Amino acid sequence: NAGVMQNPRHLVRRRGQEARLRCSPMKGHSHVYWYRQLPEEGLKFMVYLQKENIIDESGMPKERFSAEFPKEGPSILRIQQVVRGDSAAYFCASSPSAADTGELFFGEGSRLTVL
Amino acid sequence: LAKTTQPISMDSYEGQEVNITCSHNNIATNDYITWYQQFPSQGPRFIIQGYKTKVTNEVASLFIPADRKSSTLSLPRVSLSDTAVYYCLVGGSSGTYKYIFGTGTRLKVLA
Repeated sequence: NAGVMQNPRHLVRRRGQEARLRCSPMKGHSHVYWYRQLPEEGLKFMVYLQKENIIDESGMPKERFSAEFPKEGPSILRIQQVVRGDSAAYFCASSPSAADTGELFFGEGSRLTVL
Repeated sequence: LAKTTQPISMDSYEGQEVNITCSHNNIATNDYITWYQQFPSQGPRFIIQGYKTKVTNEVASLFIPADRKSSTLSLPRVSLSDTAVYYCLVGGSSGTYKYIFGTGTRLKVLA
């Protein structure tokens, strides 16, 4: 029973390029969450999605960032025209239902480095 | 979401019991208390969750006093592999996915 799968684990981009991070939730999970973690800091919520719907994107920057969770395939976090400040670890989590009280299952993260 | 306060770091020795206390004075009636563990370069891992009194699982115990304004994570007989960051989170009544992961408590277990 595979856990939450994220890829790539490491991604290097130059300023102005695009970064695409993918997340496959655990089998049977239809709720996906993205978090960002800067070095030596805690995780910060970015966006919550269900299949084909964005439920809450209040933590995501208004510009350059977008997320989707299509009917088929993984959830994708897309960062356009990356800047050095986007360098961080991006974690995806999933849950079988809306995580009102239950646990979130996290992936190993994708580490983005912007040169 | 209730704000939490926990020590920035703690040191312990192998075999000792470690207690990490978290303050959450503004906890709401419907909020649960959840603890996560994070190793370097890995995603957080759920440890334990509780609402009141005491909860115990194979990894840890969680003690919650009657007023629920604080909670204590207890790790029995820690080993070197318990060196990690431990996050105390409070939420549930308004969506736990918006958990605020603070800086957590950095536990270092020494030989």
